Amino acid sequence: DAGVIQSPRHEVTEMGQEVTLRCKPISGHDYLFWYRQTMMRGLELLIYFNNNVPIDDSGMPEDRFSAKMPNASFSTLKIQPSEPRDSAVYFCASSPSGSGSYEQYFGPGTRLTVT
Amino acid sequence: GDSVTQMEGPVTLSEEAFLTINCTYTATGYPSLFWYVQYPGEGLQLLLKATKADDKGSNKGFEATYRKETTSFHLEKGSVQVSDSAVYFCALSDQYSGGGADGLTFGKGTHLIIQP
Repeated sequence: DAGVIQSPRHEVTEMGQEVTLRCKPISGHDYLFWYRQTMMRGLELLIYFNNNVPIDDSGMPEDRFSAKMPNASFSTLKIQPSEPRDSAVYFCASSPSGSGSYEQYFGPGTRLTVT
Repeated sequence: GDSVTQMEGPVTLSEEAFLTINCTYTATGYPSLFWYVQYPGEGLQLLLKATKADDKGSNKGFEATYRKETTSFHLEKGSVQVSDSAVYFCALSDQYSGGGADGLTFGKGTHLIIQP
């Protein structure tokens, strides 16, 4: 079975540009999470969805960040405009309800570099 | 709020040594506990989990026991291999008020280096 798919794997962009990260969760999983990993702050939850509805976006750093989940098989995280401090690895994860333990399955991540 | 504390390392061991990585947590509810492993350039992989007190999670020779009385979930392995070199994250998941999953709260990660 395919795991969580993220694209692109690497993104290099200039400050001020719009960046869109994409995620396809595992089929049948109804939770989707976006995390950011940096050396300074470690892994941080940005936002998560349940059945395509945003549940908690309190981790989104500021209004430059937005996330959508138009259907059960696709989500985007957009940064507009991007800044050098947004450079990080962004992970998408999905989780099935009913598992009782809420384990999450992570994608390979998108390494974003903003110059 | 919830938090996870783990030794950051790096932890350097010789092959076949015994491994312990300490993890303690604070949580408002009754969380599920996890260990994830991250190899260089890759995403996080679930290593093991435990959902209630005294549960022992195990996988690939690694073990961890959910200790509610000490709020701990220490990771152990009896004999490490060079291939175990990676970053290990302790994490917890608490239920949100609606009764479903919540985001994971991670520790800072422990970089493990195994020398031949």
